[in-house]
Amino acid sequence: SQKIEQNSEALNIQEGKTATLTCNYTNYSPAYLQWYRQDPGRGPVFLLLIRENEKEKRKERLKVTFDTTLKQSLFHITASQPADSATYLCALAPGTYKYIFGTGTRLKVLA
Amino acid sequence: NAGVMQNPRHLVRRRGQEARLRCSPMKGHSHVYWYRQLPEEGLKFMVYLQKENIIDESGMPKERFSAEFPKEGPSILRIQQVVRGDSAAYFCASSPLRDREGSNYGYTFGSGTRLTVV
Repeated sequence: SQKIEQNSEALNIQEGKTATLTCNYTNYSPAYLQWYRQDPGRGPVFLLLIRENEKEKRKERLKVTFDTTLKQSLFHITASQPADSATYLCALAPGTYKYIFGTGTRLKVLA
Repeated sequence: NAGVMQNPRHLVRRRGQEARLRCSPMKGHSHVYWYRQLPEEGLKFMVYLQKENIIDESGMPKERFSAEFPKEGPSILRIQQVVRGDSAAYFCASSPLRDREGSNYGYTFGSGTRLTVV
């Protein structure tokens, strides 16, 4: 069956360090993959999209990689700040509008 | 630009009542998607609508749930005869055109409606 896995355990890191979050999937061949940020009581906010033919995408302190052989995406936040604390969701688009979301990883950046 | 507006933010209904959730997409967006998020679960696709058309409702339960996006006014997700298992956060998202390869943006989500069935 199709599956998206994100580390369900919370990730605690010290301010200034790089946070790395993982998204693994099975039985998909997604055309592209997205990362969203979700704060408590709020809707997800789009951060980055990466296509299957792209290895890496950057936006300010954010970097996403996409390895279609490993079926994995890594999401990095460099020079992390307490304001980066949130839940981060990955979402796959198998070529259509019907995004499949992971359950998210909760990140806490400690001051 | 007010973004995607959902109301109410919180809705409490007794079992058997009807719940109506409203979503106004971003200005210029003609595609609306509804997702449901249960505690500790990922967002699950429910339905995709364009103005006056339901494009895909494959994620929506066949019974009690319906959605519309009229020519004028917001999109409505309607749940009849609510049960406790309907308690969840319901999110609406919009986009300016149908998702396709080459899009460099994701959905714009609203803040959601938290439905509690008591």
